[in-house]
Amino acid sequence: DAGITQSPRYKITETGRQVTLMCHQTWSHSYMFWYRQDLGHGLRLIYYSAAADITDKGEVPDGYVVSRSKTENFPLTLESATRSQTSVYFCASSERQGAWINQPQHFGDGTRLSIL
Amino acid sequence: QQQVKQSPQSLIVQKGGISIINCAYENTAFDYFPWYQQFPGKGPALLIAIRPDVSEKKEGRFTISFNKSAKQFSLHIMDSQPGDSATYFCAGAGGGADGLTFGKGTHLIIQP
Repeated sequence: DAGITQSPRYKITETGRQVTLMCHQTWSHSYMFWYRQDLGHGLRLIYYSAAADITDKGEVPDGYVVSRSKTENFPLTLESATRSQTSVYFCASSERQGAWINQPQHFGDGTRLSIL
Repeated sequence: QQQVKQSPQSLIVQKGGISIINCAYENTAFDYFPWYQQFPGKGPALLIAIRPDVSEKKEGRFTISFNKSAKQFSLHIMDSQPGDSATYFCAGAGGGADGLTFGKGTHLIIQP
C-alpha cells in the first residue's frame, strides 16, 4: 500500500546515546520533512529535503542530523540524545516544498521518543 | 517566532453545535492555508485547505472562512459530532517558507 511509514513507533533511550528514526514513503514525492510535536508548541520543522542528497535546516535543527541517499528514505539521527529532545516526531512528504491544493503534505503516524 | 497564531487552545462543544477555531498569520507571502485533523496516536491528516484568492471553502460540514485584509482564517464545523473530537491545526505555506508553519493546535471535544 502506498503511504508513509515511520519506525520505530516507540523508543526509549538514555541521554548521550545515538538514536535514528526511520521514514519511508512509497509515493516518490520529491520533498520530505521532519517535524517534532510538543505540547504547547504544535509542530515545528526540524529538517527537510528537496531531493536525494539535498537537505536543509528548518526552525529547530540543533542536535539533529539527516541524510537522504534514496528518494524514498529520510532518516533522522540524534547523535547525542538530550532530555529536551523527548518528543513525538513526524515525518511528512509532498510534491512541493510548501504544499498546495491537490499536493498536500502527507504525514506518518509518528515516533514517540522518550529520553531518560 | 510564531507566524501562525491559533485560538482557542481547547474547546468543548455540544453535539450538533458549531465549532469555530480561529487563526491569524503574519507572513503575507503565504499562498496556501490548510487545516489538519489529528487523532490520538496518529499523524495529522489534511482536512480542508484554501488559497488566499478565495474567501470561503466548504466541504461537507467543514468550512474555511478567509479574510485576507485581516490576515485571519477560521474553521467552522457544523453539526459537530463526537467523532470530530480531535486536535486541529491550522497552517500556512508558500512564499519561500520552509515546509508548513503550524499553529499550536486546538483540542476539540464534542460532548454527546
